[in-house]
Parts: sequence; C-alpha cells; structure tokens
Amino acid sequence: IQMTQSPSLLSASVGDRVTLSCKAGQNINNYLAWYQQKLGEAPKLLIYNANSLQTGIPSRFSGSGSGTDYTLTISSLQPEDVATYFCQQYNSWTTFGAGTKLELK
Amino acid sequence: QIQLVQSGPELKKPGESVKISCKASGYTFTDYAMHWVKQAPGKGLKWMGWINTYTGKPTYADDFKGRFVFSLEASASTANLQISNLKNEDTATYFCARECTFGYFDYWGQGVMVTVSS
Repeated sequence: IQMTQSPSLLSASVGDRVTLSCKAGQNINNYLAWYQQKLGEAPKLLIYNANSLQTGIPSRFSGSGSGTDYTLTISSLQPEDVATYFCQQYNSWTTFGAGTKLELK
Repeated sequence: QIQLVQSGPELKKPGESVKISCKASGYTFTDYAMHWVKQAPGKGLKWMGWINTYTGKPTYADDFKGRFVFSLEASASTANLQISNLKNEDTATYFCARECTFGYFDYWGQGVMVTVSS
C-alpha cells in the first residue's frame, strides 16, 4: 500500500498549529502510526491506531483521520519538535511514507 | 526498562558480508516479533521484513529476498541481520524495531550504519 505524505517540507514558527498529512492508496482501517525522527536518531513512536497517543508523548501531538486520509497535528510547535515525521500503515504488511521535514521559520 | 541495543558501525568492501546484532532487554524476547528497517543516507524508511522470535521463522519483503538473512540467538535475546555479497546500494543505517501487538513499532534500536565502499 503506497503512503503519500505532504508537504515534504514545512516551515513554521514556535507556537504555530501545524498539520501534516498522510494519504494511503487504499483504506487502511485506522492502522496508522506516526513517528518522529530527529537527526541522527532512531524513529520514535508518537501515535498509533491513527489517534492513540503513545505513553510519554506530549499532549500537543494528536492524530486523526479514517479510511485513506490521516493527519498529525501539533497544537503549539516547540523548538524540540524540529524533526522529520513519518507515517506507517500496518493494515497490509507495512509501508512508510516518504516523510515530512519540519523546520522552524 | 526496555532497550534494543545494536552493534557498532561497519565498513565493508563490495562483495563482502556483514552481520548486525540487536540485543533486547527489559521484556520477554519471544513475546514480540522483531522487524528490520533500512534507511539510506538522507532517505526515508524501508521495511525489510520480520522474524517471529518464538518460532524463528523469517519473512522478507520482496526487495530483500536473496542476500538478506534474519536469525536469532534466542537464549541471548538477540536478533541478527546478515547481508551477503554487499553492494554500494546497501550503504544505509539498519534499525531493528519491536512490533507491538497491532503491528506498529514501539521500540527501536539506535541503528547501525553500514558503509560499502571499495
């Protein structure tokens, strides 16, 4: 299943509400996760099952969506949120999106 | 606490082989599947496949059939990835990742950088 993330690059200011998009090639039944990867580090799980927040992740992160269209929202961008964000479907085997790189404006 | 600790960086020549390890601690190793993910320099994440840590059965993604072997040392709570006949395009960071019950990956190793260069 192909996963398409947009935009590929996003510039935003501290305090902004940020929305990242992930579109699946077919219905993935909410079997979607979001990961944050900082430079030189391993990916970190943020959201699973489309909208469940992983333990220890700040509440400014949230996930939503259904069917083929999913969104990761950061309610108030913090400097430590600069990273690349990947979505992953696990409805049929597993595939990752190409990522959205989030930078500070 | 749960940890996946991988082996160190590798520098290899084309045609050589490499074996990467992933040692798990803090949980019962055989209760969770282990996956392998490739990340080429500056690129995204590519799923390579997984190994059933209870039975030892590996499953490979289509692009990773042939030169790639997943194995276990279950008594040591360790999963291994071996790549034979290395090619320049195998240059990448390789991550192991624990699969949570539903299919997402809740813990990752720190990654192993493999460089293939003559």
